[in-house]
Amino acid sequence: DQQVKQNSPSLSVQEGRISILNCDYTNSMFDYFLWYKKYPAEGPTFLISISSIKDKNEDGRFTVFLNKSAKHLSLHIVPSQPGDSAVYFCAASAWNSGGSNYKLTFGKGTLLTVNP
Amino acid sequence: GAGVSQSPSNKVTEKGKDVELRCDPISGHTALYWYRQSLGQGLEFLIYFQGNSAPDKSGLPSDRFSAERTGGSVSTLTIQRTQQEDSAVYLCASSLEGGPYEQYFGPGTRLTVT
Repeated sequence: DQQVKQNSPSLSVQEGRISILNCDYTNSMFDYFLWYKKYPAEGPTFLISISSIKDKNEDGRFTVFLNKSAKHLSLHIVPSQPGDSAVYFCAASAWNSGGSNYKLTFGKGTLLTVNP
Repeated sequence: GAGVSQSPSNKVTEKGKDVELRCDPISGHTALYWYRQSLGQGLEFLIYFQGNSAPDKSGLPSDRFSAERTGGSVSTLTIQRTQQEDSAVYLCASSLEGGPYEQYFGPGTRLTVT
């Protein structure tokens, strides 16, 4: 049973346009969400996070939107650059629910290709 | 500063053999995590170490898997009697403290069981 779903295995966009990566979750205990970026042969690197008390968090070209009622979050990259080409993982944690709040549950990832 | 390092980067082993994977976390990080990424899958939590507390081993898939963390620093993940389904990339991560906060990942060890 996949609790974090990234339904698009891949996405291709033109340089300078917006990239929108989507993530859905099923566990209503999740209240902290993170996006990681992974290049081939490297470990994932942290990109941006959002707590469930917010619906938007912005960091430079990267913005994460959270829709709690729909159990949906998205990562927007504007403008997209060729160097953004990587696999993007969505991850979730039950941070305020107590217990194993350090555990991250990951989606399967979306391969983003930004074409020059 | 130095990031999380893992060794070996690649390991090919025969079915039934034991393997040891090593992780050197970032100095000063008290929390250490092991994950596994099988082909086409997301990262799967395996085990978590935090300071001197008992580790959370709830993600280990079978009793063939075990992990240690010596002196609160280096960790080894051991897989006994490897099976072909153990083939995956094994990732180690560390963070300043336990929590969902930014975890710093190593490059991973690609394990292939033939």
